Amino acid sequence: GENVEQHPSTLSVQEGDSAVIKCTYSDSASNYFPWYKQELGKGPQLIIDIRSNVGEKKDQRIAVTLNKTAKHFSLHITETQPEDSAVYFCAARKGGANNLFFGTGTRLTVIP
Amino acid sequence: DAGVIQSPRHEVTEMGQEVTLRCKPISGHNSLFWYRQTMMRGLELLIYFNNNVPIDDSGMPEDRFSAKMPNASFSTLKIQPSEPRDSAVYFCAQARQGSNYGYTFGSGTRLTVV
Repeated sequence: GENVEQHPSTLSVQEGDSAVIKCTYSDSASNYFPWYKQELGKGPQLIIDIRSNVGEKKDQRIAVTLNKTAKHFSLHITETQPEDSAVYFCAARKGGANNLFFGTGTRLTVIP
Repeated sequence: DAGVIQSPRHEVTEMGQEVTLRCKPISGHNSLFWYRQTMMRGLELLIYFNNNVPIDDSGMPEDRFSAKMPNASFSTLKIQPSEPRDSAVYFCAQARQGSNYGYTFGSGTRLTVV
C-alpha cells in the first residue's frame, strides 16, 4: 500500500513569514495529492490539491508543488497570519482508487 | 447542502457499554469512509463503502468494531463492548466515487470511554 510521510510534525513561524510543509509518498501510481487544514474541534477541510499532470498550483497565499520523480510534494503558505494556525495533513491517492492515505500531520503555529 | 452530519458530537460512556456513532452523508456522494483520529496514530482509515457496499474493512481494529450502511442516507459505526483505548475522535468522510476531488469530512464524534 501507499506510505505517506510528513515533516515537520510541528512548525512555528512569525506572522508574515512563510511556512513550508513537506510530504513524501511511496507508490508511483499515486496521482492525486490533496492538503487538508484541521482547526481545533473541527474535521479536516480541503484547502488545495494537485494532480500528477502538473508541477505547481497556487491559490492566493497557498501553493503546492509536486516532484513526481522524487515522489515528494510540499505546501507553501506565504505571508502567514494567526488564522493559519492549525494542523495540516497531506494525502495521496492512486489512480482509480477512492481511499486517501494521510500523512501524520503538521501543527502550524503562527506567532503574532 | 448541509455537508456530512455526524452525531453525537461528544459521547462519554463507561467501559463495556455499546456505542453507536452516526453519519448522515451528502446526497450524491457514493463513497463513505470512517476514520479514527488519535494523537499517537493520527488519521486511521477504519472502513470504507462504495454504493453502500463495504469495500475495505482491514482497518477495523477488532471484532468489537462494526459498521453498516443500510442505505445511501445513513451509516453507523458501532463498538461493542467499548474499551478506554477506543477513546478518540471518529470522523465520517465522503467522496464522489471516481471523482478527482478529495473528501468532505464531518465534524467528528469525540468518544471518551471511562
